[in-house]
Amino acid sequence: SQTIHQWPATLVQPVGSPLSLECTVEGTSNPNLYWYRQAAGRGLQLLFYSVGIGQISSEVPQNLSASRPQDRQFILSSKKLLLSDSGFYLCAWSVWGGQEFFGPGTRLTVL
Amino acid sequence: GIQVEQSPPDLILQEGANSTLRCNFSDSVNNLQWFHQNPWGQLINLFYIPSGTKQNGRLSATTVATERYSLLYISSSQTTDSGVYFCAVEVSQNFVFGPGTRLSVLP
Repeated sequence: SQTIHQWPATLVQPVGSPLSLECTVEGTSNPNLYWYRQAAGRGLQLLFYSVGIGQISSEVPQNLSASRPQDRQFILSSKKLLLSDSGFYLCAWSVWGGQEFFGPGTRLTVL
Repeated sequence: GIQVEQSPPDLILQEGANSTLRCNFSDSVNNLQWFHQNPWGQLINLFYIPSGTKQNGRLSATTVATERYSLLYISSSQTTDSGVYFCAVEVSQNFVFGPGTRLSVLP
């Protein structure tokens, strides 16, 4: 069966520090991968999606970036965090025409 | 781009009551899913329902693709049903989420 992992579960970072969040998927090949952000009490905002290794599409211009170095690995990064980057970050996967499944999320607080 | 609306935005129920949540979308979609986000933030798949009706225990969902809406029915609600319910529609391999319905079930 398929499993999606995200880490860390929670993170507190100072403004201006770098960020690296990792997501890995097990049990499937060539998935579509997604990064979402959810502000407190709000809906989900799609940040990035990837249909293959090295292929990244950005939905929202910001100081975040994403990379997909391996088929089942998706990384969200920032060189310098802003206060507005605080939120709940969710990784998800799907296969074309199929359901979308979410990881447990990373709760990021930027101070 | 496609617009996804959900109603009502907030709903408070007494345990045991029934409810209907609605999702409207502005254009044709490939797929539609319903999710429940529990108080810990985990998004749980409820239904994958591009059209027709499906049932899973006390929950059922109906999508009428030609009229661009989907309904989620919750019967005999329990306190564990509390949380936020999202519908999401797939357009070109991306999922667009509605703003959610926040459900509170009181004991």
